[in-house]
Amino acid sequence: EPEVTQTPSHQVTQMGQEVILRCVPISNHLYFYWYRQILGQKVEFLVSFYNNEISEKSEIFDDQFSVERPDGSNFTLKIRSTKLEDSAMYFCASSPSRDSYGYTFGSGTRLTVV
Amino acid sequence: AQSVTQLDSHVSVSEGTPVLLRCNYSSSYSPSLFWYVQHPNKGLQLLLKYTSAATLVKGINGFEAEFKKSETSFHLTKPSAHMSDAAEYFCVVRTFGNEKLTFGTGTRLTIIP
Repeated sequence: EPEVTQTPSHQVTQMGQEVILRCVPISNHLYFYWYRQILGQKVEFLVSFYNNEISEKSEIFDDQFSVERPDGSNFTLKIRSTKLEDSAMYFCASSPSRDSYGYTFGSGTRLTVV
Repeated sequence: AQSVTQLDSHVSVSEGTPVLLRCNYSSSYSPSLFWYVQHPNKGLQLLLKYTSAATLVKGINGFEAEFKKSETSFHLTKPSAHMSDAAEYFCVVRTFGNEKLTFGTGTRLTIIP
C-alpha cells in the first residue's frame, strides 16, 4: 500500500537554528499538508499546498514557517529560527484531490528544540 | 466553523468486551467525519470515514461508527476488544469545501488482559 514517508523520525535542534522536515507524498497525490501535535495537545492544521503554492494556512503558520516542493517528489517544511515551543510531532499528509475523503498521513517527525 | 469533542480522554476495557469511544461534532455545513488511530511511534491511520452515504460505517479491524445527525454524534464501537487495539484514537471532522481537518483531543484506549 502506498505510504507517505517522513524523514528524519526524530530531530533535535538548538533554539534559533533552522530546521527542514522532509516528506515524500504518495506519487499521484496533488494536495499536501503539514499538521503538528504538541505533546499532550490536539493535532493542529498548519498548511495546505497545491499547484506549487499555499492554498490555506493557519494562524500558527507565521513568517518563521515555509513550505516547498523543490522537486517532483519531496515536500518540505522549514522553520527558520526554531523556538522551544516549536517542539512537537510534525505530520505530513497527502491526498489525491481537494475533496478526498481522508488523507494519508506519514509517521511523523518528532522535533525537539533545546 | 467545525469542531469535535471526544468525551473521554482515557477508556479501559477488558479483552473480549465491547469498545465505545464517544465523539460529538459541530459543523456549519454537511460534515465528513473520520476516525484515525495512532499506535505508539506510528503515524495516523484512517480507521473509517462518513461521507453522507450510509449512516453506519464499517472500518478496518472490526470497528464501526454511526453518524447520528440529531445527536451530532459519531461514536466508534467494536464488539470485542483485542490487545492490538490499544492505541490513541482521534475523531476528526471536515466541512465540505474546507480543506483542513479538525481533530479532537484523542482517546487513549487501554486493553486489560
